[in-house]
This record gives sequence, structure tokens and C-alpha cells, in this order.
Amino acid sequence: DTEVTQTPKHLVMGMTNKKSLKCEQHMGHRAMYWYKQKAKKPPELMFVYSYEKLSINESVPSRFSPECPNSSLLNLHLHALQPEDSALYLCASSQDVLSPQHFGDGTRLSIL
Amino acid sequence: GENVEQHPSTLSVQEGDSAVIKCTYSDSASNYFPWYKQELGKRPQLIIDIRSNVGEKKDQRIAVTLNKTAKHFSLHITETQPEDSAVYFCAALQTGTASKLTFGTGTRLQVTL
Repeated sequence: DTEVTQTPKHLVMGMTNKKSLKCEQHMGHRAMYWYKQKAKKPPELMFVYSYEKLSINESVPSRFSPECPNSSLLNLHLHALQPEDSALYLCASSQDVLSPQHFGDGTRLSIL
Repeated sequence: GENVEQHPSTLSVQEGDSAVIKCTYSDSASNYFPWYKQELGKRPQLIIDIRSNVGEKKDQRIAVTLNKTAKHFSLHITETQPEDSAVYFCAALQTGTASKLTFGTGTRLQVTL
């Protein structure tokens, strides 16, 4: 079965904190994605990594910083977030950028 | 960029009835159309998909149809069950220099007993 693992499941942080979201897959997928999802809205693409290189940045503010240390891992570093950044952050992966994407359970982020 | 419209936004059907959700897309270069089911508090789950070289695909009670000329695609669920209740998202994959998935706005399906 396909599996994308995200940690932590929940995160509460202040606006001055620095934290990181982690995503891991061991399916040999070479494309990985970060999405942001607000309540009752569809997932909204933030970043795409293809073969460990950033291929799409959807004009995301610099307070979100993605990192792909290797083909199995994807991080999202957070710094100086705003209350409106509170959302569910979903990671997804696929064989390549043209293949079906499979999502993790997400990290529910709350900014105080 | 791609724009995906989805209708209806909410749909209530009785158990055993059929449900149909429709989407339209704008970019003729889009060639892959997945459907995701998202239950409350859970991940979007891929339930069926179709590529542009196919007009219809079926998997048990779920089917998807694609009309490339009209840029329409639809999800059909037959013999609905309470566990089908969820939010369903259609999506279209733009290809080219940068491939990205654009989602529709979602349909909340409620299957009542």
C-alpha cells in the first residue's frame, strides 16, 4: 500500500517560533509536494520537488522554506508565521510529476 | 493557468441512489484527471483517475467519464452507501514545462439512510 508519513500530526506555534514539518516516503517516488489546505477548501499547491530539485514555487512567502535532503524526505521549515497560515499542511508524492499523487495525513498547524 | 470548476458544491442522495459530480477545465493541455475523496479530518484519497486518451473508466461502483472536446469530466457513483459520504475533489494535471495539479472546489456528498 502507498504510504506517505508526516510528522508532527499537530503543531501549535507562536509567531516568533521556528519549526519544521517532515514528510517521508519509501516508495521510490521521485516527485514530492507540499500543499496547504484551509477548512472547506481544496488543497492548494505550494512547492513541487522533482528528483530532489525544486521545480515549482507557487509564489509562497519566504517564511515557508522547503528542503529536500534526499529522495525520501521532504521538509518544510517555518519561521515568523502569521495567524492566517493556520491550516492543514499536506505532503504528497508520486512516481514522477506526471503520475498519480498520494497524500499523507497532514500536519494541522495553528499559529497563536 | 488551469481553472477547474466543480458542481454541485453539495449533494444529498438516498442510500442506493446514484450520485454524479461534474467538472470542467480550461487548459486543453491538461491530460490527466484524478478524483480524490476526503473524509472529515483525513487525507485526500485517490479513488479513480483517467487520462485524456480514454473516454471512460470504471472501478466497481465508481466510474469516470471524460469529454475532451467539451473539457468536461464527471464522477459517477452507483448504489451509494453511507460510507460514501465525504468531500470529493476533481483535479486536472497541466503538463508542459512545469506540471501541476489544480483542484476543483469540492463537492460535499451526503448519503442518507
